[in-house]
Amino acid sequence: DAEITQSPRHKITETGRQVTLACHQTWNHNNMFWYRQDLGHGLRLIHYSYGVHDTNKGEVSDGYSVSRSNTEDLPLTLESAASSQTSVYFCASSRASGRGGFGTDTQYFGPGTRLTVL
Amino acid sequence: ILNVEQSPQSLHVQEGDSTNFTCSFPSSNFYALHWYRWETAKSPEALFVMTLNGDEKKKGRISATLNTKEGYSYLYIKGSQPEDSATYLCAFNDYNFNKFYFGSGTKLNVKP
Repeated sequence: DAEITQSPRHKITETGRQVTLACHQTWNHNNMFWYRQDLGHGLRLIHYSYGVHDTNKGEVSDGYSVSRSNTEDLPLTLESAASSQTSVYFCASSRASGRGGFGTDTQYFGPGTRLTVL
Repeated sequence: ILNVEQSPQSLHVQEGDSTNFTCSFPSSNFYALHWYRWETAKSPEALFVMTLNGDEKKKGRISATLNTKEGYSYLYIKGSQPEDSATYLCAFNDYNFNKFYFGSGTKLNVKP
């Protein structure tokens, strides 16, 4: 069965360190997304990609970067981790149709990565 | 930033009760509304995609309605069961902006 996986599931790191969270999907979807989820907020979009070598900033992209070298993977990098980046991170994917994954396309979510920055 | 609000924030019901909750969104420039079911320690799972004013969707005991003119959608659960316990999220897509705006969710707890 097709799926979307994230690793690690839990990560503790220190302020200033670089951290990379992995996202891998076997749906063969062109569109991939990274969200963060914090208490009192809905899911907020960090970065997204419509295909290989394409990346776009979301509403909370500062301090994060992504790169897309193949269809299956969209790793999220925190260049210099800050305590404000302590959160749960979700990766999602959708097929390429309509409005690039934001219209009627269903987004399929991974299980999440809980990141703690001390 | 567009505002998507869900109410109530949390709900506790007894097994067998029917319940409903609301997702409110801007009534202008509507494109689509999604409902997701999100169980603790799992990832959000798609329930419905709604696009037309007056749309009604149903999946088993769960149904949803959409009013784009007044900017709200209702999610109904008939005869709640403990396995319905989850957070129910809505996501709004505005015609002008290429992104989802998620609500904070309604957390439903169904007691046996």
